[in-house]
Amino acid sequence: DIQMTQSPSSLSASVGDRVTITCRASQSISSFLNWYQQKPGKAPKLLIFAASSLQSGVPSRFDGSGSGTDFTLTISSLQPEDFATYYCQQSYTFYSFGQGTKLEI
Amino acid sequence: QVQLLQSGAEVKKPGSSVTVSCKASGGTFSRFPINWVRQAPGQGLEWMGGLMPLYGTPTYAQKFQGRVTITTDESTRTAYMELSSLRSEDTAMYYCARATTNYTQYYFDHWGQGTLVTVSS
Repeated sequence: DIQMTQSPSSLSASVGDRVTITCRASQSISSFLNWYQQKPGKAPKLLIFAASSLQSGVPSRFDGSGSGTDFTLTISSLQPEDFATYYCQQSYTFYSFGQGTKLEI
Repeated sequence: QVQLLQSGAEVKKPGSSVTVSCKASGGTFSRFPINWVRQAPGQGLEWMGGLMPLYGTPTYAQKFQGRVTITTDESTRTAYMELSSLRSEDTAMYYCARATTNYTQYYFDHWGQGTLVTVSS
């Protein structure tokens, strides 16, 4: 099984900040990496697919990069609605998720 | 507009089974595999299994092999997830999610609202 490890597990930031979340795979997964945002009591929402492609309707302040084993999700200027938990997911071999990064004010 | 509507909350006894349904509206049902993801209270997301296009049959995460069965009924555009031999650790929110593709990779672009399954004696 491919293990996905996110860092940090939690992150405190302010509106307007630039934040970066890291996801590392236990083996190379090429660009088979997706990012999701989840707010309390809600289903996850797709933000980024194939490591760097922005899902339709997602603001351009969200940016994904990386390939192989190391990936990042960057939010360029935090907005109040961005405070949530973020998960990476590999789709190289079946699927597995990172443990999540909680982004707090 | 694609929507996935899941069945309602369930309370089950340890050792019993639960079946959660996921009815799709909009889009082409058979073209997009349905997967199941669960989330224990306060925990992260865990993929349980789904229909893998390359395999053509349901595939399950190793952790759930032998306990989970995923089926679909194309006539009603409904997917089902049955989990057997329930234990307290199976208490979780269960989500169905549609996998779509950019022709090289799959990702979950639509999710159901979730079904809370509580296992308690």
